[in-house]
Amino acid sequence: KNQVEQSPQSLIILEGKNCTLQCNYTVSPFSNLRWYKQDTGRGPVSLTIMTFSENTKSNGRYTATLDADTKQSSLHITASQLSDSASYICVVKAGTGGFKTIFGAGTRLFVKA
Amino acid sequence: GAGVSQSPRYKVAKRGQDVALRCDPISGHVSLFWYQQALGQGPEFLTYFQNEAQLDKSGLPSDRFFAERPEGSVSTLKIQRTQQEDSAVYLCASSLGAEETQYFGPGTRLLVL
Repeated sequence: KNQVEQSPQSLIILEGKNCTLQCNYTVSPFSNLRWYKQDTGRGPVSLTIMTFSENTKSNGRYTATLDADTKQSSLHITASQLSDSASYICVVKAGTGGFKTIFGAGTRLFVKA
Repeated sequence: GAGVSQSPRYKVAKRGQDVALRCDPISGHVSLFWYQQALGQGPEFLTYFQNEAQLDKSGLPSDRFFAERPEGSVSTLKIQRTQQEDSAVYLCASSLGAEETQYFGPGTRLLVL
């Protein structure tokens, strides 16, 4: 079964610190992987997208990595800000020609002052 | 409009009632997706439209769920004879194409009593 697992489930860090969120997937064949940020009560917003051949993609203080061999991705947040408090969701699209994407349950990040 | 809008934002229904949820995508976006997000979980794919054509409805949980996009713009997700397990946030997303970045609306939070 195609699955996307994220860890940790939740995380609390102090403002200014760095953190790394993990995503493991079993989706096959693989097409692409996205990280989304979802603020409470709002829809997800895309942060990065990576295809099979890409290892790293940055968007400001967000850096995503992808290891297609081990089927793992990480999202690294540098110099966290209070506004980074949100859920971060890993989404994988299978390369089967369909339109379905598989979302992880998300990591809930709390940034404290 | 500036973004994807959804209405109503909140809906309370008695078990057995029919509900209709509306999505106004970004103007010019060909692709439209519907997702169901249970509390504390990531969104789950329901259905996909390319213009007015419903190309993938593999995620609809039962025949009580029906979606349409008759003119290739506004879409409606209808749930007949609602049940308590239908309680969730229903998210709509639109994009320029199926592989492009999806822009999400704020969601409709449905509570079935």
